[in-house]
Amino acid sequence: EAQVTQNPRYLITVTGKKLTVTCSQNMNHEYMSWYRQDPGLGLRQIYYSMNVEVTDKGDVPEGYKVSRKEKRNFPLILESPSPNQTSLYFCASMSVTDTQYFGPGTRLTVL
Amino acid sequence: AQSVTQLDSQVPVFEEAPVELRCNYSSSVSVYLFWYVQYPNQGLQLLLKYLSGSTLVKGINGFEAEFNKSQTSFHLRKPSVHISDTAEYFCAVSPQGGYQKVTFGTGTKLQVIP
Repeated sequence: EAQVTQNPRYLITVTGKKLTVTCSQNMNHEYMSWYRQDPGLGLRQIYYSMNVEVTDKGDVPEGYKVSRKEKRNFPLILESPSPNQTSLYFCASMSVTDTQYFGPGTRLTVL
Repeated sequence: AQSVTQLDSQVPVFEEAPVELRCNYSSSVSVYLFWYVQYPNQGLQLLLKYLSGSTLVKGINGFEAEFNKSQTSFHLRKPSVHISDTAEYFCAVSPQGGYQKVTFGTGTKLQVIP
């Protein structure tokens, strides 16, 4: 089954404690992306990757890092989380000729 | 730069009535256009997309959208809604030739009233 998985699904942490949200896809897609969803703001793109070792900033990259060492994985790293990063995060993957598949989401709370 | 405007944050409609969810976009280049649906506590699912060709695009669950280049719009329509259509709908745009930067609208919550 084609899918994008994210872990963890829920996370409560404290300010400044580094965390990583993992994202993995099993469709051999070149393109992967991270979004955050906030009420009234829709989804905003954080980072995207066109292929292994190729990443670029989206609209709201501040406070986030990503890496793409393998085609299937695209982790999102928060080096020093702050309360304004409390949000619902979605990972997505796509190939040029395919549709964009979204993961189930990770609800992050930073205290 | 590109942007998407969904003017209606909430749209209530009676069951079996028609509905139109509005989407306008702005871009300095040609674009691809998308509509996604998000059911409560779930991720996003693609409803339909416009890449090129016919301006009337049919999607899943009986939805369709029409690309209007002169009005820079991509409104979503359904002739008869069902309770199960209650969800949030997002319009999105990306530049043609690349899906790199995808910009979403702020969403429209469709509430179907029995």
